[in-house]
Amino acid sequence: AQRVTQPEKLLSVFKGAPVELKCNYSYSGSPELFWYVQYSRQRLQLLLRHISRESIKGFTADLNKGETSFHLKKPFAQEEDSAMYYCALGRGSNYKLTFGKGTLLTVNP
Amino acid sequence: DTGVSQDPRHKITKRGQNVTFRCDPISEHNRLYWYRQTLGQGPEFLTYFQNEAQLEKSRLLSDRFSAERPKGSFSTLEIQRTEQGDSAMYLCASSLGVGGPSRETQYFGPGTRLLVL
Repeated sequence: AQRVTQPEKLLSVFKGAPVELKCNYSYSGSPELFWYVQYSRQRLQLLLRHISRESIKGFTADLNKGETSFHLKKPFAQEEDSAMYYCALGRGSNYKLTFGKGTLLTVNP
Repeated sequence: DTGVSQDPRHKITKRGQNVTFRCDPISEHNRLYWYRQTLGQGPEFLTYFQNEAQLEKSRLLSDRFSAERPKGSFSTLEIQRTEQGDSAMYLCASSLGVGGPSRETQYFGPGTRLLVL
């Protein structure tokens, strides 16, 4: 069965500090991995997908198949990064997403 | 607002009553998803439609739940004989469905928060 684990429910950092939100997955096939973000009072939205290999709002994530991880990183956190972050696994042809439980990131001034 | 819309935004009902939620996807999107989110959890997949065809249902979707997308546009999710365990946020998402799952972006609605007393 596929599963997404985000080990930290809460993560608090100071502005300007590096941040890493962890995500591990279990899936026997070829995974499609995403990070979704939900800012306060806003709807859930896509932040980035592993296939794009691009930086969005300064965030990057690398798929490590050996460690089955897809950690989200940003070198210098900003206060506006404070939000709930969900790692999600998409698989096969049915397009549905399996989400982790989320990590609430707080960036303190 | 041209995003995904859901109605109602909040619903309070008594145990045993039936409730129906509506989702209007982004107009050209052919795929539509329903998820359920309980406190402290990420969204959990319930069902998905491609056009008007319901292609997959989660085992979470008991016989009391039914979803339709009659003309391939809006969708409804009905819960019959509600139970307190049905209390959750019900999220709808839509996508254009091109380029395969790795390139697909699901656009989420604001959700309908259900409280069963």
